[in-house]
Amino acid sequence: RKEVEQDPGPFNVPEGATVAFNCTYSNSASQSFFWYRQDCRKEPKLLMSVYSSGNEDGRFTAQLNRASQYISLLIRDSKLSDSATYLCVGAPGGGYNKLIFGAGTRLAVHP
Amino acid sequence: DTGVSQNPRHKITKRGQNVTFRCDPISEHNRLYWYRQTLGQGPEFLTYFQNEAQLEKSRLLSDRFSAERPKGSFSTLEIQRTEQGDSAMYLCASSLGTGTETQYFGPGTRLLVL
Repeated sequence: RKEVEQDPGPFNVPEGATVAFNCTYSNSASQSFFWYRQDCRKEPKLLMSVYSSGNEDGRFTAQLNRASQYISLLIRDSKLSDSATYLCVGAPGGGYNKLIFGAGTRLAVHP
Repeated sequence: DTGVSQNPRHKITKRGQNVTFRCDPISEHNRLYWYRQTLGQGPEFLTYFQNEAQLEKSRLLSDRFSAERPKGSFSTLEIQRTEQGDSAMYLCASSLGTGTETQYFGPGTRLLVL
């Protein structure tokens, strides 16, 4: 079983839709979690960190449930430019050493 | 551009040849990481350095792979006797090295072994 598991998608949604991605992790030692965004044939870029209290950045909301070992990302009012692969990431050392990536969830936003 | 840079961006080689990739981290970043990404998968950790010291190596890093960061600045990743299974994107990332922090990724080197 992979340490970080995601639904690969693809999620095909119209502009303006709300879409939610889920992720589960198996390593209870993971201290920190992140969502990275990766465009086709580009490097991953940090989208946001994930906190137990939940955090929001504009149209994006991330949530961590340590008891269920579950992480979510909600995107509201989807834009065409949101089309990308979203990588769920765990960090056993709090991001201080290695990152453990899920396989990613593909999102395609259409007009 | 003050981001992480990697060279070459693309490399095509024949099976059995040796290849070397270079990564230049963001200046003043003490930590440097190497990851490998295959199609349809997320990046997988290979190794990381704190300054010039290599602190962790993944089981993925077989004895054909070696990474160095001799002066604590740029790093090289060498693959000896390449195999077709080595075909992947090799990503380098760097971070300040002072605590929980963001890892910034370079554009990657895409390797194709024929």
